Amino acid sequence: DVKVTQSSRYLVKRTGEKVFLECVQDMDHENMFWYRQDPGLGLRLIYFSYDVKMKEKGDIPEGYSVSREKKERFSLILESASTNQTSMYLCASSAPRGHYEQYFGPGTRLTVT
Amino acid sequence: GESVGLHLPTLSVQEGDNSIINCAYSNSASDYFIWYKQESGKGPQFIIDIRSNMDKRQGQRVTVLLNKTVKHLSLQIAATQPGDSAVYFCAENYGGSQGNLIFGKGTKLSVKP
Repeated sequence: DVKVTQSSRYLVKRTGEKVFLECVQDMDHENMFWYRQDPGLGLRLIYFSYDVKMKEKGDIPEGYSVSREKKERFSLILESASTNQTSMYLCASSAPRGHYEQYFGPGTRLTVT
Repeated sequence: GESVGLHLPTLSVQEGDNSIINCAYSNSASDYFIWYKQESGKGPQFIIDIRSNMDKRQGQRVTVLLNKTVKHLSLQIAATQPGDSAVYFCAENYGGSQGNLIFGKGTKLSVKP
């Protein structure tokens, strides 16, 4: 079974802090994604990566950056956390084209105070 | 608790009844569709998928129907159980080569014992 793990289930940070959210998948998937999930807004794509050291902006990249130094690991970085970044963050991975099913991690609930 | 279910349409059914959850998708060029289940405090979990060259696909206790004419997708759950209580949402692939998905907002299914 595919396993996608995220470094923290719950995280509380202060405004202005730099925040790292880590995601690791064990299925040798090329594609990895970061989403945030907010009530009434559904899943919104922040960034995705289809290969090591490659990254593409999603629908809401502002205030975020990502890093993909190894195939299995995709990190989301909040350079200077703000209260409007309080959300559930979900990481997902999928195999190359033609296999669109995305496998999700358990999520990280981030609170910025 | 998980707040992802707030502000969502809710379907309430009696245990043992059949459930039908509907989804309208946005892009007539989409060629792949997925249903996900998200339980409270967890990441989305794959249920079933269907490609646009099919109009019906069955799994264990679940059936997905695709009507491309009206861009409508439905998920039928037979003999609904309390463990089926969750938020269900559909996703479509609009043909992007990297397997990006567009997610619906979701429907909260509540099963009464």
